[in-house]
Amino acid sequence: GQQLNQSPQSMFIQEGEDVSMNCTSSSIFNTWLWYKQDPGEGPVLLIALYKAGELTSNGRLTAQFGITRKDSFLNISASIPSDVGIYFCAGQGAQKLVFGQGTRLTINP
Amino acid sequence: EAGVVQSPRYKIIEKKQPVAFWCNPISGHNTLYWYRQNLGQGPELLIRYENEEAVDDSQLPKDRFSAERLKGVDSTLKIQPAELGDSAVYLCASSLDRTGGEYTIYFGEGSWLTVV
Repeated sequence: GQQLNQSPQSMFIQEGEDVSMNCTSSSIFNTWLWYKQDPGEGPVLLIALYKAGELTSNGRLTAQFGITRKDSFLNISASIPSDVGIYFCAGQGAQKLVFGQGTRLTINP
Repeated sequence: EAGVVQSPRYKIIEKKQPVAFWCNPISGHNTLYWYRQNLGQGPELLIRYENEEAVDDSQLPKDRFSAERLKGVDSTLKIQPAELGDSAVYLCASSLDRTGGEYTIYFGEGSWLTVV
């Protein structure tokens, strides 16, 4: 099935560092969503973006909906151990949600 | 408010056996989704319901998979017979359609299937 191009696939960082990940698509989406999935759990919504160019923050998380509606990025500032997990971007159009392949974040204390 | 509830959480079955998963969406959510997530991949849509109508089942392998949402609330996903390649996490999700197309999809914890 169709998936988005999400990068990087994995990141190994030190606690306190900032993190940046992004998603690109050949298709236009009306909504971009960012989810976090912990082991053994379902994806949990972090941020939802509904308008092209929109920049939204949720605590230490900031995400932007690209102006072309074909891309989005997620930044995490001052990472902490509980940020460890897999982050998925998802593009939503015509009520169909298409996921990226995930960015696995590992934090060294 | 309760989130999306799925059961069972974990299931191990032998190949060629049947298996069923149950989902109770968030109260009031009219749209329900079943996704499959293979190891190391993002979820992929199997079927989407609007109320009791399956409006997108193009990715559902209909030879062995079936789903129903008879009263527009709970849903079941069945696999019969199961194959080794069906081992995956089956995620249920729901959303409430809002005016202007803004709606957010919430996921359950998933049903983790292992076929041996």
